[in-house]
Amino acid sequence: NAGVTQTPKFQVLKTGQSMTLQCAQDMNHNSMYWYRQDPGMGLRLIYYSASEGTTDKGEVPNGYNVSRLNKREFSLRLESAAPSQTSVYFCASSGRQGTNEQYFGPGTRLTVT
Amino acid sequence: AQSVTQPDIHITVSEGASLELRCNYSYGATPYLFWYVQSPGQGLQLLLKYFSGDTLVQGIKGFEAEFKRSQSSFNLRKPSVHWSDAAEYFCAAAGDSNYQLIWGAGTKLIIKP
Repeated sequence: NAGVTQTPKFQVLKTGQSMTLQCAQDMNHNSMYWYRQDPGMGLRLIYYSASEGTTDKGEVPNGYNVSRLNKREFSLRLESAAPSQTSVYFCASSGRQGTNEQYFGPGTRLTVT
Repeated sequence: AQSVTQPDIHITVSEGASLELRCNYSYGATPYLFWYVQSPGQGLQLLLKYFSGDTLVQGIKGFEAEFKRSQSSFNLRKPSVHWSDAAEYFCAAAGDSNYQLIWGAGTKLIIKP
């Protein structure tokens, strides 16, 4: 039981390049989330998917797109990376509707130069 | 607006001393409450949670938290800290069934030898 996995662990991009961050969970959870974490800013929600087939914007969605590929997988895409998107990205999942108890992946450290 | 406040950005405690990290919430009703821990370079791990019932909840790693409705607080405690407890601690709350958690800004715990 791996829980929530994320790939890659580290990534360096040049401004304007695109990439997709992958996330998968094996806990049969309905809801999945993408956060970014920046020094002094805490955790900020980018997008979430309450259930398979639905996605919604969070607090900071600009510059990102998401795809809920199936119940297990939720990807985050940066179409044209900017230095302001340098951050640590976390994926999380939740199986308890209403309580929103979330379980996190190990994170992807992204640097945009 | 709903909010979670962690008043202390940093706390320094000597190894073996007791610890209390503060968390206050602002919600219309009693929310579901969580404490997470993030060790350096790691993802977030759920320490403990409060949904209802007994207001003193036990978690992993020897931590406990007490829900006090009258003070809108959910403070995290440990009787004797170890150097391995050095990490950042996040308080979070949910309760509006909008699939999201409201996060505190985090408290960084520093352990003095």
